[in-house]
Amino acid sequence: GAVVSQHPSRVICKSGTSVKIECRSLDFQATTMFWYRQFPKKSLMLMATSNEGSKATYEQGVEKDKFLINHASLTLSTLTVTSAHPEDSSFYICSARLGGDTGELFFGEGSRLTVL
Amino acid sequence: GQNIDQPTEMTATEGAIVQINCTYQTSGFNGLFWYQQHAGEAPTFLSYNVLDGLEEKGRFSSFLSRSKGYSYLLLKELQMKDSASYLCAVTDSNYQLIWGAGTKLIIKP
Repeated sequence: GAVVSQHPSRVICKSGTSVKIECRSLDFQATTMFWYRQFPKKSLMLMATSNEGSKATYEQGVEKDKFLINHASLTLSTLTVTSAHPEDSSFYICSARLGGDTGELFFGEGSRLTVL
Repeated sequence: GQNIDQPTEMTATEGAIVQINCTYQTSGFNGLFWYQQHAGEAPTFLSYNVLDGLEEKGRFSSFLSRSKGYSYLLLKELQMKDSASYLCAVTDSNYQLIWGAGTKLIIKP
């Protein structure tokens, strides 16, 4: 099946630094990718929809200047957590949809961010 | 508002059968997904229903009733590795995915 790869899988950083997480669709082109955040024992929370070649669409309550999303190509979207704080520590997951609007979602492996 | 309800936690015995229910109220409907998520890992796709009825795939089956806003995931011949969270998600009229909070399934020997 389709593969979505996410990197890094784990990252620890100091408070105030920025961290970039990459999401790649390895064997298909994804015009749209999604970024989620998941807190312990909670469901996925959609942060933003990343559209290739245009600005990302952020969900209500998500700071776009804090979580920068770039979808520069059909196979790569990046999420940059800027000026990270301990409360940004979380599990971040990307996904890409194969096919049209009701196509199957494929998820990356997830990235565990710990901000000290 | 849009809402997906599923039990928080269920416990079952190895070798048995378990049914995880999901009810939804969304603005429109364009399909329902079930995903499995092991702790610390990303979700993996299990099933997709858009028409009423039962879809069977090996030990897992998923049922949908659009008129009732209801779905269930049926797991047969439970194995210890089936211990995970099971997420129900519905695609609404704008093709946005609405996620349930997930059901944590605990399998006991």
